Amino acid sequence: AQRVTQPEKLLSVFKGAPVELKCNYSYSGSPELFWYVQYSRQRLQLLLRHISRESIKGFTADLNKGETSFHLKKPFAQEEDSAMYYCALVYGTDKLIFGTGTRLQVFP
Amino acid sequence: NAGVMQNPRHLVRRRGQEARLRCSPMKGHSHVYWYRQLPEEGLKFMVYLQKENIIDESGMPKERFSAEFPKEGPSILRIQQVVRGDSAAYFCASSPEPANIQYFGAGTRLSVL
Repeated sequence: AQRVTQPEKLLSVFKGAPVELKCNYSYSGSPELFWYVQYSRQRLQLLLRHISRESIKGFTADLNKGETSFHLKKPFAQEEDSAMYYCALVYGTDKLIFGTGTRLQVFP
Repeated sequence: NAGVMQNPRHLVRRRGQEARLRCSPMKGHSHVYWYRQLPEEGLKFMVYLQKENIIDESGMPKERFSAEFPKEGPSILRIQQVVRGDSAAYFCASSPEPANIQYFGAGTRLSVL
């Protein structure tokens, strides 16, 4: 069955520390994966998608088909990165399957 | 472009009442998706609609829930005879075409007393 797993509910780091938010997926086809972010009191918004292979706000994510992972990384966390992060997989041509989310807290 | 608009932001209903949640997609978007988020869970897909058509309703509960996206006006998610278990945040997203980036609304938080 298609599934997205984010094992950490909460990740706390200090400003300037590296960040890695874990995402593993289960999907029989060729996956298309996204990271969405929700800042406090704001709507869910796209952070990045794996096919773009770009860096947004210093974040990158590489699809590892062997490990079925799409971890989100940033070398130096900033306080403004504090938010909820959701990994999502496109299933079929329409629906997104979301993980349960990881709350990132960056302390000064 | 005002983005995806959902209203109301908060909706309180008593058990047995009906709940109507509205979603106006972004300008130029004709594809609408509804998701539900229960406490401590991720967003779960409910239904995908194009103008006047339901494309995929595999995530919709079989009873009491219905959705429409008329030619004119917003998409409506309707829950009849609400129960406490329907309390959740309901999110709408839109895209200009299928398999494209989905843009989300701020959500409607439904509380059933």
